[in-house]
This record gives sequence, C-alpha cells and structure tokens, in this order.
Amino acid sequence: AQSVTQPDIHITVSEGASLELRCNYSYGATPYLFWYVQSPGQGLQLLLKYFSGDTLVQGIKGFEAEFKRSQSSFNLRKPSVHWSDAAEYFCAVGASSSASKIIFGSGTRLSIRP
Amino acid sequence: DGGITQSPKYLFRKEGQNVTLSCEQNLNHDAMYWYRQDPGQGLRLIYYSQIVNDFQKGDIAEGYSVSREKKESFPLTVTSAQKNPTAFYLCASSSGNGGNQPQHFGDGTRLSIL
Repeated sequence: AQSVTQPDIHITVSEGASLELRCNYSYGATPYLFWYVQSPGQGLQLLLKYFSGDTLVQGIKGFEAEFKRSQSSFNLRKPSVHWSDAAEYFCAVGASSSASKIIFGSGTRLSIRP
Repeated sequence: DGGITQSPKYLFRKEGQNVTLSCEQNLNHDAMYWYRQDPGQGLRLIYYSQIVNDFQKGDIAEGYSVSREKKESFPLTVTSAQKNPTAFYLCASSSGNGGNQPQHFGDGTRLSIL
C-alpha cells in the first residue's frame, strides 16, 4: 500500500521569496502524484499531477513540482510567492490499480510574511 | 460550469440525531468519495463509491452511512452512533475508479454539535 509524508506542518515565507514544500511517498511501483491547495473553509483544488514522462511538472498559479524517484520525493516549488498563496497544501499519492485509492498527506500550512 | 455541490455549508446536530449531508455532481464522474477533515490530520476516507448502487467502507466508516441511487448523488448520513461528529466533511468525485485519477472536491460542510 502507498503512503505519503509531508514533514513540515507549518512554513512561513516572505512575500516575493521562493517556496519549496516537501513531500515523500512510499510505493513499490511508479506512483501517481498530486498536489492540492485548500483555502480556509473551502474544498481542495488540484494544482498539478504527475503520471509519467517529464519529471518536472508545471501546474496552475505558477507552481511546479519535481518527481525524484531516487529520493521518493515530489516537492512543490514556486519562484516567488504572493500573499494569496497562503493556504494549506496537500500532497497525495495514488496507484495504477483500479481498486486503489488516493492517500493524502497531513498537509503543510503556508503563511506569508508581508 | 461542471462541479460538485455540497449542502448545507454549516450543519448542527443535536444529541441522538441523525443528519444527512448532500453531495451532487454534474461532472458525469463514476466514482465519488466522502472524507472527514480534522485539524492537523489531513483527509480521512469515510466511504467511496465506484458505481451506482455500490459503495465500500473507507478507513473510518463507523457511525456513518451512504447511498448511491443516482450517478450524480452520494449523500452521507452521520448517525447518532458517531460520538465525535464535529469536523469538516468533503465530498469528491473522479472519472476513474482508483488511484490514478485526480479527484475534484466540493466546498465542504462543517458539522458541529449543539
């Protein structure tokens, strides 16, 4: 079974600074990887996904993520954060089996310092 | 626009009362899911359905029940057996049946005890 870990519970960065949110997964085969964002009191919105191919994935809102098989990681990055990026970010992992489910990490809360 | 509609946005439950949370989607998705979200715990799967008239228990199904009589609808009932129902409930859907398709989320229902 797959699992996912987000080591950072809360991160604060200054507006305009770069951002990297960590995600580590455990799965025996090639995983399906996702990053979601959640604003307070709302549902989750898909930022990007990795299924196969190019290991650097571009998403919405200027985010990107890189799949590194050797490190079992799928870290989310943004070159310059905006105050509107303050939210909770969830990494998720799935598998190719039709009986499998998506497993979500516990989330990283991002605060932006003015 | 297609999407997932959850209602109500806020719900209050009295002791011994069953309450039902509504989830409707017009995305023509086969699979639907219910998650419970508590602070610091990410998303936990309650029930999921891969096809009409069929559903499976997730990780925390005790005290909850669902039905899937129509493709568009997947209501969740929080029964009096659920002793700690206060949480944020999220409904999701996907076009696939497993862990290889991104899920689309509603805006959630916040349930509290009176």
